[in-house]
Amino acid sequence: DAGVTQSPTHLIKTRGQQVTLRCSPKSGHDTVSWYQQALGQGPQFIFQYYEEEERQRGNFPDRFSGHQFPNYSSELNVNALLLGDSALYLCASSLRDPGQTAGYTFGSGTRLTVV
Amino acid sequence: AQSVAQPEDQVNVAEGNPLTVKCTYSVSGNPYLFWYVQYPNRGLQFLLKYITGDNLVKGSYGFEAEFNKSQTSFHLKKPSALVSDSALYFCAVSRVNYGQNFVFGPGTRLSVLP
Repeated sequence: DAGVTQSPTHLIKTRGQQVTLRCSPKSGHDTVSWYQQALGQGPQFIFQYYEEEERQRGNFPDRFSGHQFPNYSSELNVNALLLGDSALYLCASSLRDPGQTAGYTFGSGTRLTVV
Repeated sequence: AQSVAQPEDQVNVAEGNPLTVKCTYSVSGNPYLFWYVQYPNRGLQFLLKYITGDNLVKGSYGFEAEFNKSQTSFHLKKPSALVSDSALYFCAVSRVNYGQNFVFGPGTRLSVLP
């Protein structure tokens, strides 16, 4: 049973460019959340997708956008990259759970470096 | 607003000794509390959770955590540490019925010395 798959594993981009990160959720999961983990910090919630719609959003600018496809996979897009966007981007999948008792299954992340 | 504090950046313990990784939280209403572990170049792995019921929660790999409502704490414990337990540990909290939006603590690096 495949867990959460993220691609690419590493990425180097230039300031001002745009980037797309991809995530395939664990089999049977229908909800995808994205987190940003800066070096030496805990993950910070970016947004969550369910039924192809953004359901919740953390304190991130509009430069961060996403999409969820009918097969539940998801993309995270970041426009106009800043040096401060350098981080490990984690995708987490789960079953839709309004009581959020289930917790997440995390992917290994995409390490984005902006130069 | 929700917040999580992990007061120790680093915890060192000798193999075979008990370990404790501390976590305190702040949330309005009843909390859901989680512990995750992160190994180098890996995502986060679920260890255990407190939703309701018994204050002592048992999880994966022999870890347990005790929920203390009066002290707003959720410390992670293990009776006998292994060198393989060395990793980065994160405590997380979410609010009841607020959707799956977790707030993570800054992490505590655990080093188990042989």
